[in-house]
Formats: sequence, structure tokens, C-alpha cells
Amino acid sequence: AQKITQTQPGMFVQEKEAVTLDCTYDTSDQSYGLFWYKQPSSGEMIFLIYQGSYDEQNATEGRYSLNFQKARKSANLVISASQLGDSAMYFCAMREGPRDRGSTLGRLYFGRGTQLTVWP
Amino acid sequence: DSGVTQTPKHLITATGQRVTLRCSPRSGDLSVYWYQQSLDQGLQFLIHYYNGEERAKGNILERFSAQQFPDLHSELNLSSLELGDSALYFCASSVAAGWADTQYFGPGTRLTVL
Repeated sequence: AQKITQTQPGMFVQEKEAVTLDCTYDTSDQSYGLFWYKQPSSGEMIFLIYQGSYDEQNATEGRYSLNFQKARKSANLVISASQLGDSAMYFCAMREGPRDRGSTLGRLYFGRGTQLTVWP
Repeated sequence: DSGVTQTPKHLITATGQRVTLRCSPRSGDLSVYWYQQSLDQGLQFLIHYYNGEERAKGNILERFSAQQFPDLHSELNLSSLELGDSALYFCASSVAAGWADTQYFGPGTRLTVL
């Protein structure tokens, strides 16, 4: 099964509007971290926001917030007041807890990404 | 700027050749991770080093190897290159090796194998 699922290959939003990018995850661990990254066309991966599995409040970083619904295993990214510079690929990622499972320890699992286009 | 540096930015080489990608982590970070990004496979974890020791291996081919040096910089060696090795290779670093530690990515090295 996929660890991270992003079901929206592409999303379009008008400037100044809010947009939600979907992410669901699959883990049996109690301890895990959820991350969102932005990849502009230039290629670099930019960290946006983090949510820990024990955090009771939704994470926020400026115009980014993470809508964390633990029971549904979803971690949607909300971008408020979209800007033209927000046009990029957005990746949801998860890192599982510290149990010694060899090759899975330490890695980030990434979704396939959502291409966001902001239009004026 | 994440503080993670990678060289070179672009690399063009031929099949069968060997290349070395270099990464310097953020100041103070002990963990270094390598990822490969390709259109068909997406972002794939290759290997993780913590303070000079290998901690985890992912989908890393036997033709690939890595190491982390005492000054904490890391190198990824790719040998007997094939066309399918063309990809964007990222290095990331984090303070420690915990599940809550954010991984900060470098700008990547784009490898093209002709």
C-alpha cells in the first residue's frame, strides 16, 4: 500500500484565494511526522510545514496551515491568499517512528505531488 | 536557501562512467540523506548517514555507494552508469535522526547519462 497518497495531480486557484491540497497517509505507528515541501520549476525542495502525530493543534506557518485529521489519516495543506509565486509542485511526506526496521528507518516517504497553478 | 550545498549542479556523462556527487549539510546537522527524483519513480530514498555511520538503506543500487566524512560532508558515488540513472539527486540534512526532525534539502544535482 502507498504510504502517502496525493489524489490531485493538478490544482488551479485564482490569486488571493485559498486552496487545499489533499494528502492521506498510511502507517501503523503511533509516532510519526508529516511534512509538506514545495518544489518550484527551478527544482529545489523547500520545507513548508511540519505536524507531529502527538500535536493536538494544527500546525501553521504564515500563509500555510496543515489540517490534521488523525482518525482519517489525512494531513491536508491549506494555502491562504494564494500568490503567483505559489505556483509549484507540492509534496506531502511522512517519517515513521524510531522502531528498528532496517531500511525504513530514517527515510521520508513522499507522495507523487500536486502541481498547483495560481492564475491572476 | 536551506543551508545545504550540493555540487555540481549539473552533470552530463556517458553510460559506463563513474561520477561523484558532493553534499555539505547545514551547520550543526549530523544526519545526511540522499534521495533520487525521477519522473517514473518519484522521490526515492537512497541512504541515510548519521555522524559518519550508515543508519539506513533504501532503494540504493549496488552500483551506488555513499559515505559521510569526519567533517560531516557526504559523497554519493554512482558507477557503471546507465541511461536510467538520469535523475535529480538530492541531499538533505537534519539536526539528528529522530522522526520529528525536519530534513532540509539541497538544490540537487541533475545527472544526465547519455
